[in-house]
Amino acid sequence: SQQGEEDPQALSIQEGENATMNCSYKTSINNLQWYRQNSGRGLVHLILIRSNEREKHSGRLRVTLDTSKKSSSLLITASRAADTASYFCATDGVTGRRALTFGSGTRLQVQP
Amino acid sequence: GAGVSQSPRYKVAKRGQDVALRCDPISGHVSLFWYQQALGQGPEFLTYFQNEAQLDKSGLPSDRFFAERPEGSVSTLKIQRTQQEDSAVYLCASSQFSGGASYNEQFFGPGTRLTVL
Repeated sequence: SQQGEEDPQALSIQEGENATMNCSYKTSINNLQWYRQNSGRGLVHLILIRSNEREKHSGRLRVTLDTSKKSSSLLITASRAADTASYFCATDGVTGRRALTFGSGTRLQVQP
Repeated sequence: GAGVSQSPRYKVAKRGQDVALRCDPISGHVSLFWYQQALGQGPEFLTYFQNEAQLDKSGLPSDRFFAERPEGSVSTLKIQRTQQEDSAVYLCASSQFSGGASYNEQFFGPGTRLTVL
């Protein structure tokens, strides 16, 4: 079963706009990661935020983490058509289990 | 360097057939994971190897699913007597995990899309 839900399930924006995706999870975590998946391709790691961090930036990406609410958000600024993909959050639990637990994903469409 | 590779990329099987899916992890990566991704969903964990040892197989949905990594590098996921509900993309990931690592970045292959008719 999935760890949690992502919101929205689908998002369509114009090039240049910002895109915000949210992720909720259920259990305590070591860290939370965001992945991108283009149609027909594997998952690409975007950014990792540790459980003791609240915000992290990488290029046009900004991730926040609120462990009290068990939620995270991914902001993509100045979106491009090439950002069109599905975005997944994944958590690495405190139990030491090395497998990642993924959310259900947000499908982002950036219109040129 | 080369990433994680998987073969075949696409597999069509008749219900009841056995299939074998191969994963070549990044050279030197200790950990190897298999995930199953149904259409429109996120990947779900199947099994995990550290070198040749299968440390976690809690995600395998039935005893028809079997995975091995006999020499600690290449891994094979075998599905016996395939059923229609086995249709999914099977993703392999590897990680340069060591005991002292505080995080676990996994590098994913392109997946094998299995369709069971």
